[in-house]
Amino acid sequence: QQQVKQSPQSLIVQKGGIPIINCAYENTAFDYFPWYQQFPGKGPALLIAIRPDVSEKKEGRFTISFNKSAKQFSLHIMDSQPGDSATYFCAAGRRNTPLVFGKGTRLSVIA
Amino acid sequence: DAMVIQNPRYQVTQFGKPVTLSCSQTLNHNVMYWYQQKSSQAPKLLFHYYDKDFNNEADTPDNFQSRRPNTSFCFLDIRSPGLGDAAMYLCATSRATVGSTDTQYFGPGTRLTVL
Repeated sequence: QQQVKQSPQSLIVQKGGIPIINCAYENTAFDYFPWYQQFPGKGPALLIAIRPDVSEKKEGRFTISFNKSAKQFSLHIMDSQPGDSATYFCAAGRRNTPLVFGKGTRLSVIA
Repeated sequence: DAMVIQNPRYQVTQFGKPVTLSCSQTLNHNVMYWYQQKSSQAPKLLFHYYDKDFNNEADTPDNFQSRRPNTSFCFLDIRSPGLGDAAMYLCATSRATVGSTDTQYFGPGTRLTVL
């Protein structure tokens, strides 16, 4: 019930493409769903986050889509660039407990 | 402006030689976390402090200890590092509030090498 399942494990897209990373959760008590971006040798950095009262959130080229009934959420990267090549982690959180992380997706954007 | 600071960024130790990693924060967050991250894996929570309350994950080896002398600082002590403890160690902080889940902010990590 505490797991967050993330897919795919790795993803290769061409520059300008729209990679989509999916996550699914079981615990309906989760009320916070962030995405982190991590470059090699760096700590994860918060990219964008959503709460279950909205179905979509956009920040620049990054969009989270959230489906509460399906207990799924996904990250879309519009007009992807080689600089977006990184590992992306979804996570789920609830009050006063640490985040539960997905296993990560390694994204490569090729020119 | 650095918010979560980890020192050192790179640490080399010998098998069995104790090592201490440090984390400091300028966010005045009341929750601090320590994660271990191995190559191509997700961060694995070792323990966290909710204010002064220490919370150990069930599968964290006894070899790992932590201290939080004040709100701003937290230390990770590895009493007898083994080769399997070579990893990136990440510190994170969050502000826990009643009725809300807040995000975690990560430091840059300390890369630990065990020879």
